[in-house]
Amino acid sequence: ETGVTQTPRHLVMGMTNKKSLKCEQHLGHNAMYWYKQSAKKPLELMFVYSLEERVENNSVPSRFSPECPNSSHLFLHLHTLQPEDSALYLCASSQDFGSYTGELFFGEGSRLTVL
Amino acid sequence: TQLLEQSPQFLSIQEGENLTVYCNSSSVFSSLQWYRQEPGEGPVLLVTVVTGGEVKKLKRLTFQFGDARKDSSLHITAAQPGDTGLYLCAGGAGGTSYGKLTFGQGTILTVHP
Repeated sequence: ETGVTQTPRHLVMGMTNKKSLKCEQHLGHNAMYWYKQSAKKPLELMFVYSLEERVENNSVPSRFSPECPNSSHLFLHLHTLQPEDSALYLCASSQDFGSYTGELFFGEGSRLTVL
Repeated sequence: TQLLEQSPQFLSIQEGENLTVYCNSSSVFSSLQWYRQEPGEGPVLLVTVVTGGEVKKLKRLTFQFGDARKDSSLHITAAQPGDTGLYLCAGGAGGTSYGKLTFGQGTILTVHP
């Protein structure tokens, strides 16, 4: 199994739909992250979980709702999204949160299109 | 707010050429990482530099952290088509940003055979 797995890889949804993105890491890491990647913009950190507790919520609209049921799984629940939310959503993990030299291990991303 | 500016944004070269990508900031970072992202994949870490003036080599790739820890460069010698991808720099900071990385907007490199 690969280190960090994201599903689905592609998602098309209407503005009134509810959907979820799933991330699973098989590395035994303690921290998990959601990033948003849009064209020509830097990666935007959305949420950080450390030992299953949310330690960062980077001013993300409430239409994005994260969930971390255990240290291996991370979800991003999507509801009433806007077309500008279309982007690649990347999940990442690291051994611990709080090390500025720690390596992030990324999944392949979920490409979201909001119609 | 800490920002990292990468240049150039796009680079299209022929196989065998050399190139340099720059990552600049007005802020001091405790560390600087470089990631490469290939189409359809997530970013993968290439290197981490932590000391001002540090130089690290990874085969044909040379990474340098500026003396003041505000900038970094990535130099590729004799580029190959397999080097094609998006190169991202990311700065790690202390203080209230401890543990969070600030990413540049990326440099898209295309190496033609």
